[in-house]
Amino acid sequence: RKEVEQDPGPFNVPEGATVAFNCTYSNSASQSFFWYRQDCRKEPKLLMSVYSSGNEDGRFTAQLNRASQYISLLIRDSKLSDSATYLCVVNLRGSQGNLIFGKGTKLSVKP
Amino acid sequence: DAGITQSPRHKVTETGTPVTLRCHQTENHRYMYWYRQDPGHGLRLIHYSYGVKDTDKGEVSDGYSVSRSKTEDFLLTLESATSSQTSVYFCAISEGPNGYEQYFGPGTRLTVT
Repeated sequence: RKEVEQDPGPFNVPEGATVAFNCTYSNSASQSFFWYRQDCRKEPKLLMSVYSSGNEDGRFTAQLNRASQYISLLIRDSKLSDSATYLCVVNLRGSQGNLIFGKGTKLSVKP
Repeated sequence: DAGITQSPRHKVTETGTPVTLRCHQTENHRYMYWYRQDPGHGLRLIHYSYGVKDTDKGEVSDGYSVSRSKTEDFLLTLESATSSQTSVYFCAISEGPNGYEQYFGPGTRLTVT
């Protein structure tokens, strides 16, 4: 079983739509959780950390369910500029910061 | 944006030649990482450093070595490049290990012919 699994997509949505990405992780020792976005041929950029209580940053909401080992990202009112690949990332306890990346979910927002 | 640069940004080299990639940071972060990204794979850790002269292996370290003689510089060396090392290489920095966000450099596209 892969350590971090994501639906590869692509998700094709119209502007203004709400889109949700899901991610599951296999290692219960996972301690920290993040969502990164990566534009084509660019470096990953941190979108947001994911906290146990869930957290929101503008149009973006992240949720964590430790019991189910599941992470989600919700994007409301999608913009054309949200088109990118979204990477689910976990960090194992005691791993010295070794991040485990999912392969990413590609989002394309259309006019 | 975090102050991270990578050089070169693009390189084409022949099989069997040595290659060194450089990562330079201006953030004075203690932790530095080298990842590679290939189609069909998530980013995978090659090596990391937790201080000057302190390094350790990651998931895909075979064929790679690293050095960190200064806080700001982390070098990745391919002693004898192979075609399987054709990839995009990203450097990342972090203030601390677990729980700290990592910030990535712009990447180096390496092609081994």
